[in-house]
Amino acid sequence: GAVVSQHPSRVICKSGTSVKIECRSLDFQATTMFWYRQFPKQSLMLMATSNEGSKATYEQGVEKDKFLINHASLTLSTLTVTSAHPEDSSFYICSARGDRDFTEAFFGQGTRLTVV
Amino acid sequence: AQSVTQLDSQVPVFEEAPVELRCNYSSSVSVYLFWYVQYPNQGLQLLLKYLSGSTLVKGINGFEAEFNKSQTSFHLRKPSVHISDTAEYFCAVRDTGRRALTFGSGTRLQVQP
Repeated sequence: GAVVSQHPSRVICKSGTSVKIECRSLDFQATTMFWYRQFPKQSLMLMATSNEGSKATYEQGVEKDKFLINHASLTLSTLTVTSAHPEDSSFYICSARGDRDFTEAFFGQGTRLTVV
Repeated sequence: AQSVTQLDSQVPVFEEAPVELRCNYSSSVSVYLFWYVQYPNQGLQLLLKYLSGSTLVKGINGFEAEFNKSQTSFHLRKPSVHISDTAEYFCAVRDTGRRALTFGSGTRLQVQP
């Protein structure tokens, strides 16, 4: 299957700072990328969907100014958590879908964000 | 709108025993169905998917699932589990128009020796 690389796997930051998470498709062109958030022992909640070169579409209740998503190329999307607070601590997972198979999305390894 | 219900939050089972993880979905349109496995602090790995055709789908690691349209179910089964199967399992659906997956709440499979 296709490979999606997410970096960093873990990050600890101070409250008030910003953190950038990268999601790369290594062997295919990701026309669409999804960002999910997962709280402990809970399911994945979709935060936003982004298409290359377009503005991201955010789910209801997700602050677009706080969670900045950039999908500037067909192999890279970034999620920036701005002015992070302890309540933003969570597991963030990206997913990418290419143009050859619309039925399946491939997931990154996830990023554990801890805001102290 | 779609929804996915995984009735069991935890399923304890002994090694080499069979297991079934239940998944029911709700959707007003045709859907694709998926099962993913998640190991601690990792992303999701696809176990299997149903797109169309045969209702019995075989996946990796000896897992299989059966799509039942009348019962709107997509239960995951394995005839004999291993300790290494201990993980979180997520059922997910996507309608053929919408692009993102809708996930169930997950089932923790705990395989005991």
